[in-house]
Amino acid sequence: EIVLTQSPGTLSLSPGEGATLSCRASQSVDTSFLMWYQQKPGQAPRLLIYGASNRAAGVPDRFSGSGSGTDFTLTISRLESGDCAVYYCQQDVGSSLIFGGGTKVEIK
Amino acid sequence: QVQLQESGPGLVKPSQTLSLTCTVSGDSISSGSFYWTWLRQPAGKGLEWIGRIYSSGSIKSNPSLRGRVTISLDTSKSQFSLKLTSMTAADTAVYFCARGRPYTGSYYFDSWGQGALVTVSS
Repeated sequence: EIVLTQSPGTLSLSPGEGATLSCRASQSVDTSFLMWYQQKPGQAPRLLIYGASNRAAGVPDRFSGSGSGTDFTLTISRLESGDCAVYYCQQDVGSSLIFGGGTKVEIK
Repeated sequence: QVQLQESGPGLVKPSQTLSLTCTVSGDSISSGSFYWTWLRQPAGKGLEWIGRIYSSGSIKSNPSLRGRVTISLDTSKSQFSLKLTSMTAADTAVYFCARGRPYTGSYYFDSWGQGALVTVSS
């Protein structure tokens, strides 16, 4: 059973700083199947990145994704107050879709 | 722009069956090939994929839910539905419907409903 582990659990940064969010799979996964979502309080998730590195329509270029195999990264540059959210990675493992536990980004 | 809206009871008794419907508007549920999907999120916790129905009618559900899931598609009403049997307190969550857009053998969720809170309690 593949598990996605996201770290850190919480990231507290100042506006203008950069954030690096990690998503690690317990075994090698298909890069094309790795997605990132942003969820703000009380809202549905929003797609940010698909296929590990492709930005979804309307997503600012401050958001970028990278990685392969077991290690994937979501990078947010020049943090803004509106980036406060929980970020989830998602992978298709064939029998089902799985999500990581999320990283909460706080802006000081 | 496509919009999705969940509807159904907010309160379900233990052992009963949950029935939820997702109404799709702004674009025909029959236009294109998509994975119409149900997910859920217990309060303060992460996301769980429940299952999906493809435009062709093929269905896949989360093995962890052990056969409790039924998903159906009604193109005449532009709706798809979820039935989850044998509800327990552990099924209390916000339930989301979402549209999955195919991508290189899998899919990603490009549109979501706002979510519907379902509480299991007697």
